[in-house]
Amino acid sequence: DIVMTQSPLSLPVTPGEPASISCRSGLSLLHTNGHNYLDWYLQRPGQSPQLLIYLGSNRASGVPDRFSGSGSGAVFTLKISRVEAEDVGVYYCMQSLQTPYTFGQGTKLEIK
Amino acid sequence: QLQLEESGPGLMKPSETLSLTCSVSGDSISTSDYYWGWIRQPPGKELEWVGSFYRSGATFYNPSLESRVTISVDTSKNQFSLKVTSMTAADTAVYYCARQDSYGYWDYWGQGTLVTVSS
Repeated sequence: DIVMTQSPLSLPVTPGEPASISCRSGLSLLHTNGHNYLDWYLQRPGQSPQLLIYLGSNRASGVPDRFSGSGSGAVFTLKISRVEAEDVGVYYCMQSLQTPYTFGQGTKLEIK
Repeated sequence: QLQLEESGPGLMKPSETLSLTCSVSGDSISTSDYYWGWIRQPPGKELEWVGSFYRSGATFYNPSLESRVTISVDTSKNQFSLKVTSMTAADTAVYYCARQDSYGYWDYWGQGTLVTVSS
């Protein structure tokens, strides 16, 4: 199984400040088709996960442009340019290169 | 608008078989180009992929659960189901059904249903 490792696991942020979450995979997620099979999800308190970023850097429909994904191979980053109160929750990265699909441990973002 | 809704027993005893159903509206599981599947989340823990299927009948399961898991489809009701045999406390989790793009990402999720295994 591909192990996904996120850091930090806890992220207190002041509203209006930027935030960054790292995700590392145990195997390169770069496919021969040029896509990185790495996705980001946000699980707000008491809610289902929602897709934020797919294939490494593509924002899902309706996701604000303050969210961005970058990286390639085995190292990826999710950035929030200016954190808002509604961004509170747990962020997960997931590899979709091969089964079993595997998720990171999650990064809990909280407002200071 | 696509919607998925899970239904299931809530509380179970050890060794029983779990049966969950996902009702889909806004897309047809028999004609859609998407995959469909199940993901679970034990309390306070990360997400775990359980299994997926495609309209062709192809199914894919997490090897850690494969011996106990079956996904089946009822196209007449636009529903798909998950069965997990020999349930234990370790299977206590919120179970989500979701739609999966061919690139692997999950773009629509149900609200989830909590299944608790306790004697």
